[in-house]
This record gives sequence, structure tokens and C-alpha cells, in this order.
Amino acid sequence: AQSVAQPEDQVNVAEGNPLTVKCTYSVSGNPYLFWYVQYPNRGLQFLLKYITGDNLVKGSYGFEAEFNKSQTSFHLKKPSALVSDSALYFCAVPWGCAGNMLTFGGGTRLMVKP
Amino acid sequence: DVKVTQSSRYLVKRTGEKVFLECVQDMDHENMFWYRQDPGLGLRLIYFSYDVKMKEKGDIPEGYSVSREKKERFSLILESASTNQTSMYLCASSHRYEQYFGPGTRLTVT
Repeated sequence: AQSVAQPEDQVNVAEGNPLTVKCTYSVSGNPYLFWYVQYPNRGLQFLLKYITGDNLVKGSYGFEAEFNKSQTSFHLKKPSALVSDSALYFCAVPWGCAGNMLTFGGGTRLMVKP
Repeated sequence: DVKVTQSSRYLVKRTGEKVFLECVQDMDHENMFWYRQDPGLGLRLIYFSYDVKMKEKGDIPEGYSVSREKKERFSLILESASTNQTSMYLCASSHRYEQYFGPGTRLTVT
């Protein structure tokens, strides 16, 4: 079964510092991987995805994610955090005959302090 | 612009009441989903539908049912609400991999 894990419930970072939100995966075959973000009182928004190709994927709001096959990881990164980046972040992996289904990690709350 | 709307942002119901949560999408997507979101548990799939009148159970269907009479609308029904169904409910729709989410309904059952 496809699964993803987010080992940290919360990540704290100072504004202007680089941030990393961790995700590890367990999938059979070549993985497709996603990151979503949930701002307070909002639904989830798509951030970025890895399908194939370059291991560094760029997404919305200045975020990027690094796919590492040997470590089975797909960590979300940003060079310089903003207070407005404070949100709940979910890693996800698709499954099903057409990849229509998503299995989500438990979520990581990112707190960026001024 | 892509849009998924949910009928209520906040809802308070009493134990034993029948509860309807409505979701509408305007993207002509075949697939629609209902999740519940609880702290530390992430999103868990309750039901999904890949076509009108078609439905499949997800990971936690007990205590819930769904209805999809029209392509754009997917309803989640709590036949007899219980306090352990207090949660955030998220609806989503998709064509392929990327799912588009509504704003969520925070349901409190007292």
C-alpha cells in the first residue's frame, strides 16, 4: 500500500530563515508525490508535485521540494520563511487505477515567528 | 477559476439528528471525495464517487452515507449524528491527480 509519513507535528522557524518540512514515502514503483497547504480557516491548496524528471521541484509561493530516492524522502523547502507561510502542510501520494485517490500524511504545522 | 463550495462553514447539531453536508464543484470533474480532518490524523477518506450515482467506501465509512444525483453535487449524510463525528469535513473534486478542495465544514455534535 502507498503511504507517506510526516515525522514532525510542528516546525518552528524564524522569519527569514530557511525552512524544511519533512516527508518520507513508501510506494511501489516510481512514486508520484504531492504537497498541499492549508491556511487557517481555508481548504487545502495544491503546492507542488513530483511526477518524474528533475529531483528539485518548484511550486507556488516560493516553495520547492527535493525528491530523494535513496532516502525515500520528499522534503518541502523554502530559502527564506515568511510569517504568512504559517500553515498546516500535508504530503500526499496518489493511488488507484488512474491515480485519482490520495493518501495524506498526518500533517505538519509550520510556525514562522517574526 | 476552479471552485469547490460547501454549504456551511460551521454547523452545530444535536446527537441523533440527521445531518446533510453539501458540496458543489464547477469544473465538470468526474471524481468527488469526502474527507474528515482531525488533529494528528491528517485527512481520512470517508467516501468517494467517480461518476453520477456511483460511490465507493473509503477508509472510514461507518456512520456515513453519500448521494450523487448530479455530476456537480456530492452530499455527505450523517444518518444519526454522534459526538465522535465532531470534526472538520472537507470535500474535493478531481479529474486526474490533482484534487481541488472546498473550504471545509466544521461540524460540532453536542
